[in-house]
Amino acid sequence: DAGVTQSPTHLIKTRGQQVTLRCSPKSGHDTVSWYQQALGQGPQFIFQYYEEEERQRGNFPDRFSGHQFPNYSSELNVNALLLGDSALYLCASSLKGLDTQYFGPGTRLTVL
Amino acid sequence: AQSVTQPDIHITVSEGASLELRCNYSYGATPYLFWYVQSPGQGLQLLLKYFSGDTLVQGIKGFEAEFKRSQSSFNLRKPSVHWSDAAEYFCAVGYSGGYQKVTFGIGTKLQVIP
Repeated sequence: DAGVTQSPTHLIKTRGQQVTLRCSPKSGHDTVSWYQQALGQGPQFIFQYYEEEERQRGNFPDRFSGHQFPNYSSELNVNALLLGDSALYLCASSLKGLDTQYFGPGTRLTVL
Repeated sequence: AQSVTQPDIHITVSEGASLELRCNYSYGATPYLFWYVQSPGQGLQLLLKYFSGDTLVQGIKGFEAEFKRSQSSFNLRKPSVHWSDAAEYFCAVGYSGGYQKVTFGIGTKLQVIP
């Protein structure tokens, strides 16, 4: 049973660039949530996708956008990167109604 | 708005000693509560969760947690710590309804000394 997978593992970008991160949910899960974890902090909720729609959003600017595909996989896009966007980006999947989220290993984004 | 407080940023215990990590939450209804563990550079692994029922919850790796509604607490315990338990521990609160936003605490970093 495959768990949550994320790609790439690491990414280095420069300010102003755009980045796309990818997530495949755990087998059988239909809901994907994205979190940003800055160094020394707990994960902060970015948004959640279910049935290809954004269902909830945290306190993040519109530069952060996402997408969910029919196979439930998801992408996180960040435009106009800032130095402060450097963080570990975590994807979590769950099955709507069962409420337990399982996390992937994360993508480490460094913005120079 | 829901929130989580982990008052201890860093805890050091000796191997074999008991452990208790504190967590207090703020939420208007009965919360869903979680403890996750994160090793350096890794994602989060679920240790245990509380949804309802018995307030003492058993998890993996010998961990347990007790939900105390009167104190708005969900403290994590382990009777005997192993060196491999050194990691960062996050308490989190969510709610039911399908679209679950989970709010995490800042984390407690556990150091285990021989």
